[in-house]
Amino acid sequence: GAVVSQHPSWVICKSGTSVKIECRSLDFQATTMFWYRQFPKQSLMLMATSNEGSKATYEQGVEKDKFLINHASLTLSTLTVTSAHPEDSSFYICSALTGRGTEAFFGQGTRLTVV
Amino acid sequence: SQQGEEDPQALSIQEGENATMNCSYKTSINNLQWYRQNSGRGLVHLILIRSNEREKHSGRLRVTLDTSKKSSSLLITASRAADTASYFCATDVTGGFKTIFGAGTRLFVKA
Repeated sequence: GAVVSQHPSWVICKSGTSVKIECRSLDFQATTMFWYRQFPKQSLMLMATSNEGSKATYEQGVEKDKFLINHASLTLSTLTVTSAHPEDSSFYICSALTGRGTEAFFGQGTRLTVV
Repeated sequence: SQQGEEDPQALSIQEGENATMNCSYKTSINNLQWYRQNSGRGLVHLILIRSNEREKHSGRLRVTLDTSKKSSSLLITASRAADTASYFCATDVTGGFKTIFGAGTRLFVKA
């Protein structure tokens, strides 16, 4: 099956710094990737849709200047949390849509802790 | 906004019993998927059921889909302690490609 790799799996950073999370489709090309955030004991909330070669589409309430998304190639999308604060601490998960667009595959997630 | 709503929010059963979780959604879908998530970890894809299917089996899992009621159920038979996890339904909305998750059901199977 299709494999999506997310890196890093966990990261601790100081308040005010920026953190980049990578999402790679290893054995297929993904023109569309999605970024989710999950707070403890809650569901996954869609943050944005990342399209290769174009600007990301953000869900309502998600700050695009804070959560920078770059989808520079057909196998890589990055999420940069800028000027991170403790309230940004969360579990971030990406998914990649296959070429047929009928099924999405998920990365293993990144646990971000901002201290 | 969340597409799916799940019930119950939490379920505690004895090992060997069956566990049933339900999911309702609001708009037309291409397919519906069920995922498992162990505490603090990534998602494990369990099963996908397409909008033109009514029932699907995979091992101890049985999923039903009723598009007229916009609902789905996940049945885990002969549960095991290792089934303890959160279970989410997720829908791929018709006309779009976003996967939207329900609130999830936390299942606890007591040994």
